[in-house]
Amino acid sequence: DQQVKQNSPSLSVQEGRISILNCDYTNSMFDYFLWYKKYPAEGPTFLISISSIKDKNEDGRFTVFLNKSAKHLSLHIVPSQPGDSAVYFCAAKDNYGQNFVFGPGTRLSVLP
Amino acid sequence: DAMVIQNPRYQVTQFGKPVTLSCSQTLNHNVMYWYQQKSSQAPKLLFHYYDKDFNNEADTPDNFQSRRPNTSFCFLDIRSPGLGDAAMYLCATSRESRGGVWTEAFFGQGTRLTVV
Repeated sequence: DQQVKQNSPSLSVQEGRISILNCDYTNSMFDYFLWYKKYPAEGPTFLISISSIKDKNEDGRFTVFLNKSAKHLSLHIVPSQPGDSAVYFCAAKDNYGQNFVFGPGTRLSVLP
Repeated sequence: DAMVIQNPRYQVTQFGKPVTLSCSQTLNHNVMYWYQQKSSQAPKLLFHYYDKDFNNEADTPDNFQSRRPNTSFCFLDIRSPGLGDAAMYLCATSRESRGGVWTEAFFGQGTRLTVV
């Protein structure tokens, strides 16, 4: 049973426009959420995180929004650049556990 | 630069022949993880070490074992690889501070395992 879901396997966006990647979770104990970016044949690299006490965190072009009541978070990339083309993983952790649980990823393609 | 290093990047092994993947870290993190990732799927946690304490996931096959001889190194042993074990194996580290605050997970570049 998937605790972290990313229902869009892929997304295509024009360069300069906004990319919105979505993630849903089922475990209400999760209180720490992260986004990772992965290029082919490389390990995931950390992008941005948010704790459950916040509803928004911003870092440059990347903003993560958390809606706890809906158990939903999203990653906004503005403006999108061709170098952003990669697979994006949503991950979550609860305060009592030691594990990071990952979603299946969304492949983002930014078209020039 | 402090980092997580996995060796080798690519490993080809024969069906049933034991294989060991290695991971080292210079971050001095107390937690080390092994994930298995098959294409288009979420990375799946196999097991992790919290300091010296080994934590196995309930659905990790007995075919997979791990060793952590010291803080810096962790090994993944596959005793009898099957065709279904072909995957990307990802090592990651994290640290829990005394206040119970966790860092994000830092990943190595992964080892792509092929079973022939």
